[in-house]
Amino acid sequence: EAQVTQNPRYLITVTGKKLTVTCSQNMNHEYMSWYRQDPGLGLRQIYYSMNVEVTDKGDVPEGYKVSRKEKRNFPLILESPSPNQTSLYFCASSTQGANTIYFGEGSWLTVV
Amino acid sequence: AQSVTQLDSQVPVFEEAPVELRCNYSSSVSVYLFWYVQYPNQGLQLLLKYLSGSTLVKGINGFEAEFNKSQTSFHLRKPSVHISDTAEYFCAGRSSNTGKLIFGQGTTLQVKP
Repeated sequence: EAQVTQNPRYLITVTGKKLTVTCSQNMNHEYMSWYRQDPGLGLRQIYYSMNVEVTDKGDVPEGYKVSRKEKRNFPLILESPSPNQTSLYFCASSTQGANTIYFGEGSWLTVV
Repeated sequence: AQSVTQLDSQVPVFEEAPVELRCNYSSSVSVYLFWYVQYPNQGLQLLLKYLSGSTLVKGINGFEAEFNKSQTSFHLRKPSVHISDTAEYFCAGRSSNTGKLIFGQGTTLQVKP
């Protein structure tokens, strides 16, 4: 079954404690991206990756890092989380130029 | 600026009534347009998409949308809603420049019995 898997689904953490949200896809997609969803703002892109070792900033990259060492994985790293990063995060993947994007089920992150 | 605007943040409607969720896009967004649905505590699911061809697009769960180039709109409609349609709906368009998806702010559809 084609899927995008995120972990953890729910996390409460404290300010400044580094955390990583993993994302894995089993469709051999080149393109992967991270979004955050906030009330009244829709989904905003954080980072995206066109292929292995190719990453670029989205609209709201501050406070986040990503890496793409393997095609299937695209982890999101919060080196020093702050309360304004409390949000719902989605990972997504697609083939290059494709018009069907697959989303993970979301990761609820709370930073206190 | 490239943007997708959903004109209503919340739409309350009674069961079996028709509904329209409005979406407008800026001219710098390409005409690749999408509607996604997010049920409570779930990810995003593609409802329908317009890439080219017929301006009336039919999607899953009885939803349809009409692409209107002159009004730069892509409104979502359903003739008779069910309680199970209660969800958040997102309109999105592909950026003409970068190809990435640009999302609207979301519309919460609340179907009441």
